[in-house]
Amino acid sequence: EDKVVQSPLSLVVHEGDTVTLNCSYEVTNFRSLLWYKQEKKAPTFLFMLTSSGIEKKSGRLSSILDKKELFSILNITATQTGDSAVYLCASSPNRDDKIIFGKGTRLHILP
Amino acid sequence: DAGVIQSPRHEVTEMGQEVTLRCKPISGHDYLFWYRQTMMRGLELLIYFNNNVPIDDSGMPEDRFSAKMPNASFSTLKIQPSEPRDSAVYFCASSLVDSHSQFFGPGTRLTVL
Repeated sequence: EDKVVQSPLSLVVHEGDTVTLNCSYEVTNFRSLLWYKQEKKAPTFLFMLTSSGIEKKSGRLSSILDKKELFSILNITATQTGDSAVYLCASSPNRDDKIIFGKGTRLHILP
Repeated sequence: DAGVIQSPRHEVTEMGQEVTLRCKPISGHDYLFWYRQTMMRGLELLIYFNNNVPIDDSGMPEDRFSAKMPNASFSTLKIQPSEPRDSAVYFCASSLVDSHSQFFGPGTRLTVL
């Protein structure tokens, strides 16, 4: 059965800290790995990763994929209270765009 | 574009009643997805459509759930009869062909008493 597992489930850090969120996956016919940020409402898209070793960056956020070890990490540097959210990892196992989500990591940044 | 539009935003109903959730995808998007999110189970894909045709409904929990997409700009998710365990936030999302960047609607928070 295809699955996506995220860790930790919850994380509390102080503003300014750097955090690393983990995502491992087991899917057939892997195509891409996706990261989303969900605050109080709907998820918003952050990154799509398809190739190993190529870091994607957006401001203080960055992500990288390891297709050999079947995992991805999401890094957030110099965290701010606005980074508090649930971060979702998802994998698309085939060409039909059916996406499987992990349960998310709830990140809380203390001022 | 206004993004993905869902209605209603909140629904409170009694057990046994029929519930209909509505979604208008982003114009030009070929894929439409219905998700359910709960604290216990996280985000679950219920069903998705490609060009108005249901592709995979294996995530639909049981026969009480049904979804339709009569045209490219409208989809419904119906629960009949509703049960308290159906209480969740239901999201609709859409994407372009071959794009994994799904755009989510604001969600419908359903409470079944």
